[in-house]
Amino acid sequence: GESVGLHLPTLSVQEGDNSIINCAYSNSASDYFIWYKQESGKGPQFIIDIRSNMDKRQGQRVTVLLNKTVKHLSLQIAATQPGDSAVYFCAVYSGGGADGLTFGKGTHLIIQP
Amino acid sequence: EPEVTQTPSHQVTQMGQEVILRCVPISNHLYFYWYRQILGQKVEFLVSFYNNEISEKSEIFDDQFSVERPDGSNFTLKIRSTKLEDSAMYFCASSWERAADTQYFGPGTRLTVL
Repeated sequence: GESVGLHLPTLSVQEGDNSIINCAYSNSASDYFIWYKQESGKGPQFIIDIRSNMDKRQGQRVTVLLNKTVKHLSLQIAATQPGDSAVYFCAVYSGGGADGLTFGKGTHLIIQP
Repeated sequence: EPEVTQTPSHQVTQMGQEVILRCVPISNHLYFYWYRQILGQKVEFLVSFYNNEISEKSEIFDDQFSVERPDGSNFTLKIRSTKLEDSAMYFCASSWERAADTQYFGPGTRLTVL
């Protein structure tokens, strides 16, 4: 099976700084990776995804990096804003006919004014 | 922007009672999912549903759970006899294709079993 872990339960950054949230996964057959943002009392909100045939993908102020060699995924948020405060989860799809995403435990990103 | 909706937002029930959680997936999506999140823990996959039948289920999804698509828009999760440990947030999600496509989540139903 798949296990997904995050390196830090909490990350505190100054407003305007860049932040990096990391995630590790165990199954080398995993081929689709998603970052979700969850604000208090809400469901996971899609931020960005990446497939295993890529190692970098950029969105608006967000970049996802995938290192398949060490089975590591990261989310970079540029110029953080107060609205970025939330819990961030990585989710991994392992393929092989499995439908369910395996989620990491989440990193709580706190933006300091 | 289309979104997944869920009702109720909060359900309180007595242990042993049946509950039905409701979801309206995004209208043109074909795959539907239920996940749960116990307070402070990871989001965990329960079940996926496609073409009016269960596609995959996790070991959490035992005989107490069932899912149904009673009409063209609703997708429900039923827990037959709730236990204290069923207390959690339950999220519905939907995707256009199978899980290797973006799964969009609803806001969740907080289930409290007393």
